[in-house]
Amino acid sequence: DIQMTQSPSSLSASVGDRVTITCQASQDINNSLNWYQQKPGKAPKVLIYDAANLETGVPSRFSGSGSGTDFTFTISSLQPDDIATYYCQQYDNLPLTFGQGTRLEIK
Amino acid sequence: HVQLVESGGGVVQPGGSLRLSCAASGFTFSSYGMHWVRQAPGKGLEWVAHTRFDGSKKYYADSVKGRFTISRDNSKNTVFLQMNSLRGEDTAVYYCAKDWAPRDWGQGTLVTVSS
Repeated sequence: DIQMTQSPSSLSASVGDRVTITCQASQDINNSLNWYQQKPGKAPKVLIYDAANLETGVPSRFSGSGSGTDFTFTISSLQPDDIATYYCQQYDNLPLTFGQGTRLEIK
Repeated sequence: HVQLVESGGGVVQPGGSLRLSCAASGFTFSSYGMHWVRQAPGKGLEWVAHTRFDGSKKYYADSVKGRFTISRDNSKNTVFLQMNSLRGEDTAVYYCAKDWAPRDWGQGTLVTVSS
């Protein structure tokens, strides 16, 4: 199975800050990576697909980069509505595997 | 507009069975593989099972292999998850998700395994 190591596990930042989350795959997954946002009681919502493509309707302050084994998710200017848990997920191979999640809080 | 609606969750005793359904609309269901993914209370996301678009191949997580069965009825645009021999660690919200690289998810249905 492909292991996804996501960091940090939690993050506290101020409104307007630049926030970065990283995800490392245990083997090359090309660009087969999604980034999800999940709010309490809700289903995960995809923000970034194929590692760097912004899903339709998602604000442009969200971005993703990387390929191979190392990936980065960035919020360029944190907004109050961004409070959530964020997950990376690889779909290069089954089983689909997820990072352990990053809980983002407002400072 | 893709819509996925899960149903069939509830409370069941250990060792019991439950059948989840996921009704799909807004896309050509018979052209897409489907996943089930679950999330235990306060925990992360865990992939459970996948069926190819035509149901010809099915894949399972080791944690559910031999106990859960994924199936689909393309005439009814529905994917199912038959869960047998349920255990406490199967307690979770179960989501269905569309396509190999899932970008569309249902709202989830809660399964609680408890005596």
